[in-house]
Amino acid sequence: GAVVSQHPSWVICKSGTSVKIECRSLDFQATTMFWYRQFPKQSLMLMATSNEGSKATYEQGVEKDKFLINHASLTLSTLTVTSAHPEDSSFYICSARSKVFDEKLFFGSGTQLSVL
Amino acid sequence: GNSVTQMEGPVTLSEEAFLTINCTYTATGYPSLFWYVQYPGEGLQLLLKATKADDKGSNKGFEATYRKETTSFHLEKGSVQVSDSAVYFCALTGQGGKLIFGQGTELSVKP
Repeated sequence: GAVVSQHPSWVICKSGTSVKIECRSLDFQATTMFWYRQFPKQSLMLMATSNEGSKATYEQGVEKDKFLINHASLTLSTLTVTSAHPEDSSFYICSARSKVFDEKLFFGSGTQLSVL
Repeated sequence: GNSVTQMEGPVTLSEEAFLTINCTYTATGYPSLFWYVQYPGEGLQLLLKATKADDKGSNKGFEATYRKETTSFHLEKGSVQVSDSAVYFCALTGQGGKLIFGQGTELSVKP
């Protein structure tokens, strides 16, 4: 099956620094990638949708200047949390979709971000 | 808007016990319904799905039936194994085909 690699799996950073999370589709080209965030005991919440070569579409309430998404190629999307603060501490998950796989979603293993 | 509610975890069972994880939903229209599973250290994987009322999705011994009258999609398995220990997410398609997830239910199966 298709594999989506996400890293780092966990990261600890100081408040005010920026953190980049990578999401790669290893054996297929992802026309669309999605970024989710999950707080403890809560649902995965969709943050944004990105299509290769175009600007990401952010969900309501998600700050696009804080959560920078780049989908520069068909196999790589990055999420940068800029000037991270403790309230940004969360579990971030990416997923990728490909027409080759009948539009199924394939998920990365997630990144646990802790901002001190 | 569309939403999903799952039973809270963690759920702890002994091996070979019967499993039910409740999932109810609120939706306009006729969404597709899904169960995803996340094993420790891995990404979410699609476990099963149902696309219309009365459909039964099944995979790896798990089953769930799309019940429109009760707006439910409960996950069941007759005899769980230690290897089924994971977090299970119920989800449905929302506006624009986006997935809307429940909060996840952690299952722990003891030998």
